[in-house]
Amino acid sequence: GAGVSQSPSNKVTEKGKDVELRCDPISGHTALYWYRQSLGQGLEFLIYFQGNSAPDKSGLPSDRFSAERTGGSVSTLTIQRTQQEDSAVYLCASSLSFDEQYFGPGTRLTVT
Amino acid sequence: ILNVEQSPQSLHVQEGDSTNFTCSFPSSNFYALHWYRWETAKSPEALFVMTLNGDEKKKGRISATLNTKEGYSYLYIKGSQPEDSATYLCASNTNAGKSTFGDGTTLTVKP
Repeated sequence: GAGVSQSPSNKVTEKGKDVELRCDPISGHTALYWYRQSLGQGLEFLIYFQGNSAPDKSGLPSDRFSAERTGGSVSTLTIQRTQQEDSAVYLCASSLSFDEQYFGPGTRLTVT
Repeated sequence: ILNVEQSPQSLHVQEGDSTNFTCSFPSSNFYALHWYRWETAKSPEALFVMTLNGDEKKKGRISATLNTKEGYSYLYIKGSQPEDSATYLCASNTNAGKSTFGDGTTLTVKP
């Protein structure tokens, strides 16, 4: 079956522009996570959606970052007024509630 | 332990060596412990999930154990090969569902 997909795979944007990153989770997965990996760093948690509960936004680094999950399926991570330090690989993962996470291929964001 | 912690941060071994690393996690409200393998330029992939105290899982030369009472898990690799080089992540689920990752152990196996 289809895995987690993310789009775009690569995004180059100018400093100050807004970007939207999309994640299509595995059908039926109730949990969805966003992470990022900056150059040379590990996995940084950003936000967690679980069913219809309020999302856990504790990892979002600033108010320029926001995310939505519509209809319990597709999620969009939005970064407003991008900065160079936002350059990273953004990973999305989905899972059944307590099960292993399945990761998408990631979106590589470069802010020039 | 308040967060998921992994040690060592990095490890360099020779081909054929056996090695192990540690994941420590909060034992309160524990539900499940996952190990993932993360190769460079790829996405993390799950290796094991363990839920019960004393659980042991094995996949080829890689095995893992779980102690939920003291809040730790060990990952063992027997006879390391260069293709085992990767970052190994553990993640702990509480009974609220959310999974929290450690920072990983980066293993480099030299031929």
